[in-house]
Amino acid sequence: AQSVTQLDSHVSVSEGTPVLLRCNYSSSYSPSLFWYVQHPNKGLQLLLKYTSAATLVKGINGFEAEFKKSETSFHLTKPSAHMSDAAEYFCVDSGAGSYQLTFGKGTKLSVIP
Amino acid sequence: NAGVTQTPKFQVLKTGQSMTLQCAQDMNHNSMYWYRQDPGMGLRLIYYSASEGTTDKGEVPNGYNVSRLNKREFSLRLESAAPSQTSVYFCASSEAMGTPQDTQYFGPGTRLTVL
Repeated sequence: AQSVTQLDSHVSVSEGTPVLLRCNYSSSYSPSLFWYVQHPNKGLQLLLKYTSAATLVKGINGFEAEFKKSETSFHLTKPSAHMSDAAEYFCVDSGAGSYQLTFGKGTKLSVIP
Repeated sequence: NAGVTQTPKFQVLKTGQSMTLQCAQDMNHNSMYWYRQDPGMGLRLIYYSASEGTTDKGEVPNGYNVSRLNKREFSLRLESAAPSQTSVYFCASSEAMGTPQDTQYFGPGTRLTVL
């Protein structure tokens, strides 16, 4: 069964510094990977998705993620953190044509003024 | 275009009571899903509906039932609520499950507490 591992449960950065949220997947086939963001007491919003067309995926709000098959990773980055980025981030794998999303346990991002 | 809407936003039940969570989408999606979110566990699939007229169990279906009322609406029913069902419930929809890169869109959630 596929699994998704988010390596940090909590990341804290200063405003204006880079953000790195790490995710590893275990699919043996080509995965379909997503990052979702959840602000406090809100639903999940899609940040970006890997479509296999390009290994570097650009999302909303300046986020991007790079798919690295050799490392089975799909890390999320942003050059400069903003206070509004404080939220929980979920890395998700839907497998190859599968309906069932496999969620990582989430990384809570704190942004210090 | 509201996307996925859920009612109610909050609910408190006593053990043994029943209730139905409502979900509707206006994106003309074929597939709909119910998840629960518990601290430190991500989201877990309760039930899903691939298309109007079909429903299937997900990872954690015990204690729940669902109805796909029409293409827009998918409800989740707790027949006899238990404290273990205290959670945040999310409904989601997607264009066509099983297709590569099919993307699920989530509602705002229902926070349920069972005393």
